[in-house]
Amino acid sequence: DIQMTQSPWSLSASVGDRVTITCRASQTISNYVNWYQQKPGKAPKLLIHAASTLESGVPSRFSGSGSGADFTLTINSLQPEDFATYFCQQTFYAPYTFGQGTKLEI
Amino acid sequence: EVQLVESGGGLVQPGGSLRLSCAASGFAFGRYWMHWVRQGPGKGLVWVSRVYSDESTTAYADSVRGRFTTSRDNAKNTLYLQMNSLRADDTAVYYCGRAPHDSAWHEIDHWGQGTLVTVSS
Repeated sequence: DIQMTQSPWSLSASVGDRVTITCRASQTISNYVNWYQQKPGKAPKLLIHAASTLESGVPSRFSGSGSGADFTLTINSLQPEDFATYFCQQTFYAPYTFGQGTKLEI
Repeated sequence: EVQLVESGGGLVQPGGSLRLSCAASGFAFGRYWMHWVRQGPGKGLVWVSRVYSDESTTAYADSVRGRFTTSRDNAKNTLYLQMNSLRADDTAVYYCGRAPHDSAWHEIDHWGQGTLVTVSS
């Protein structure tokens, strides 16, 4: 199975900051990475698929990049509503494993 | 409006069985691949299974293969997860989600609200 190592596990930041979350796959997976945001008690929300394609309605301060085995999610100019937990997921082949998650805190 | 509503969760003893359902509405259910994802208390997301739009192909996480079965009834717009030989570490909120059939990235673009399964004696 493909392992997704996400870092950091937690991140403290302030409104207006720029933050980067990384995911490293245990093998090359082209651009088969999706990113999700989850707030406490809620279902996850899709932010980005295919490593860099922003979903409709997601603010442009979110961006994704990477190919091969290394991927990043960047959030520019953090807003209060961005404080949540973020997960990467590989869908190169099943089982479609998630990273451990990054909790973004104030 | 796209809606996915899970049901069937509850308390079950170790070794027991449970069947989860996910009722879909607001979209052409038969054209979407469907996934189950779970999340243990205070834990991260764990992908569980996937079924193609015509139920032709399923896939499972190693931890549930042989114990869980995913199926769907396109006429009833419903996804199922049959869970047998349940263990304490299956305790989690179980989410269903849809993925566009014409996307190679299996991105889950809509999720249900989840149903809690607790395995305990």
